[in-house]
Amino acid sequence: GAVVSQHPSWVICKSGTSVKIECRSLDFQATTMFWYRQFPKQSLMLMATSNEGSKATYEQGVEKDKFLINHASLTLSTLTVTSAHPEDSSFYICSARGAGTSGGVSSYEQYFGPGTRLTVT
Amino acid sequence: GQNIDQPTEMTATEGAIVQINCTYQTSGFNGLFWYQQHAGEAPTFLSYNVLDGLEEKGRFSSFLSRSKGYSYLLLKELQMKDSASYLCAVRARRDMRFGAGTRLTVKP
Repeated sequence: GAVVSQHPSWVICKSGTSVKIECRSLDFQATTMFWYRQFPKQSLMLMATSNEGSKATYEQGVEKDKFLINHASLTLSTLTVTSAHPEDSSFYICSARGAGTSGGVSSYEQYFGPGTRLTVT
Repeated sequence: GQNIDQPTEMTATEGAIVQINCTYQTSGFNGLFWYQQHAGEAPTFLSYNVLDGLEEKGRFSSFLSRSKGYSYLLLKELQMKDSASYLCAVRARRDMRFGAGTRLTVKP
């Protein structure tokens, strides 16, 4: 199978602090990882796309200096929310796409992590 | 850009059949996905269409017409556990965008 994990699953932080969220592909190499944000009762909004070893591509309206993405290896990407504010409170979900068909991992499907619920007080 | 439209809410009865439609406009179309999402959880993959036609997988089927920019997800023999949001997602080039989702309520 293709398993993607996220850590932490939930986090509460104070306004002005930074929070790092990790996304790991556990049993396959992810050439591309995606970060989404989902507000209550809304759909997933793509924040950025990252490829291993290169800079992330951010969607329009997403501040790259606020949402730092590092895709340092083929199995790990991190999203750091810097100087978090209450309006950043959301459900953050990562997904990963494999390099090709091997071990049941397709190259067209995106495998989602379980999500991280961030609450900024 | 991309426009992906699907109904906001639908209600159906246990044991019945329901069809959730999705229309889209995009350039560089590279596949259409359907995901199921329960509240507070990540989406789970249901189906993938890249060519026109019907893909069947158990109680779920998905149809695609690329010329019409149209897809539907068909759920048969509805069960209470099928109550969830169903997300239509379109991949263009290398990233995937989601519709707003259809919240399906299955009633006894």
